[in-house]
Amino acid sequence: DTGVSQDPRHKITKRGQNVTFRCDPISEHNRLYWYRQTLGQGPEFLTYFQNEAQLEKSRLLSDRFSAERPKGSFSTLEIQRTEQGDSAMYLCASSSGGGRTGELFFGEGSRLTVL
Amino acid sequence: AQSVAQPEDQVNVAEGNPLTVKCTYSVSGNPYLFWYVQYPNRGLQFLLKYITGDNLVKGSYGFEAEFNKSQTSFHLKKPSALVSDSALYFCAVRDAPLEGGATNKLIFGTGTLLAVQP
Repeated sequence: DTGVSQDPRHKITKRGQNVTFRCDPISEHNRLYWYRQTLGQGPEFLTYFQNEAQLEKSRLLSDRFSAERPKGSFSTLEIQRTEQGDSAMYLCASSSGGGRTGELFFGEGSRLTVL
Repeated sequence: AQSVAQPEDQVNVAEGNPLTVKCTYSVSGNPYLFWYVQYPNRGLQFLLKYITGDNLVKGSYGFEAEFNKSQTSFHLKKPSALVSDSALYFCAVRDAPLEGGATNKLIFGTGTLLAVQP
């Protein structure tokens, strides 16, 4: 399978713990995005990388959230001191250098439940 | 700011009947519009996009969408619905910052649940 892969698919944690999600994009894609989706809502943009550079961050991305893409390949999204409101599906997507006309390819998502 | 609206939370249709899932948009500049489908506990799958050219865009699984500039709409359609089409459908627009430059993220609507009855 050469699609976008995310790990873990499911994570249950207690409030206050740290969690980290990993995303492996499609290999030739230089653009990578993180979104968050809560029940009954559309995906909300969190952050965007072009190669290793983080070019945009949403105000939804509080200081407890950090994302990296150190070598321009895989990316990690870390949430520190989790809160119950962080419970959501975290989606990763990638795209090629098609600029503004290219579609995003999404992974299956990582579902976070904070108890 | 760019935005899309999906006015229907749910659309019910009988198998074999035509279906329409509505989307309206608000953009500054040229609209780049997309439709995605999401099955339960899965990621989003790309269906089709409108960039320029013909107003009727054909996509995956027999879906098509009609771009209407005067009505600022981009409705998703299929001539004959299948039970397997039952899923959550999202309309999206490519963001464009007011100050110019390239911003590549998609802004999604709230989604429409399509239920196809056998």
